[in-house]
Amino acid sequence: IQLTQSPSSLSTSVGDRVTITCRASQRISNYLNWYQHKPGKAPKLLIYGASSLHFGVPSRFSGSGSGTDFTLTISSLQPEDFATYYCQQSYSTWTFGQGTKVEVK
Amino acid sequence: EVQLVESGGGLVQPGGSLRLSCAASGFSFSSYWMSWVRQAPGKGLEWVANIKHDGSDKIYVDSVMGRFTISRDNAKNSLFLQVNSLRAEDTAVYYCARVYSTYYYMDVWGKGTTVTVSS
Repeated sequence: IQLTQSPSSLSTSVGDRVTITCRASQRISNYLNWYQHKPGKAPKLLIYGASSLHFGVPSRFSGSGSGTDFTLTISSLQPEDFATYYCQQSYSTWTFGQGTKVEVK
Repeated sequence: EVQLVESGGGLVQPGGSLRLSCAASGFSFSSYWMSWVRQAPGKGLEWVANIKHDGSDKIYVDSVMGRFTISRDNAKNSLFLQVNSLRAEDTAVYYCARVYSTYYYMDVWGKGTTVTVSS
């Protein structure tokens, strides 16, 4: 199963609303997870099961979708949110999307 | 504190081998599936392999099948990845991760160990 994220990168500012989409090449129900990754750090789980917020993750992060189309939204971008974001499916042999780099405008 | 610490990376020639280790602490290691994920320089995350909590089931990405072997020692709270017949494209930071088996997501990650394949 291929996951295609869009955009591949985006330039944005603190306080902006950010939306990242992830499209699966076939239906995966809600077996879709989102991770944040910063250089030199361990990846962090944000959202599991398409829409469930992982413990300790700020409520400005939210996920939605089912089937083939999914969205990660950051309601008001904070300085610590500049990072690369990945979707990952666990419906069958696992795959990640190619990543979306969120950069400072 | 729940923690995963990888070790065993290094510089190896093409065709060589390494054994990566991941030491787990702060949780009941034998109750969880575990994973290895890697990131090549300038590339995204790539899932490599999973192993069931008791070691009875193992799954690999196609590109490493027959060359990499995932294993675990529950008595020592340790996860391993034996990497053989290494190629330049295996150069990456290798992360171990704990798998939560509802929706199968990776909720705890180590900081990674670096494997460089070069002559």
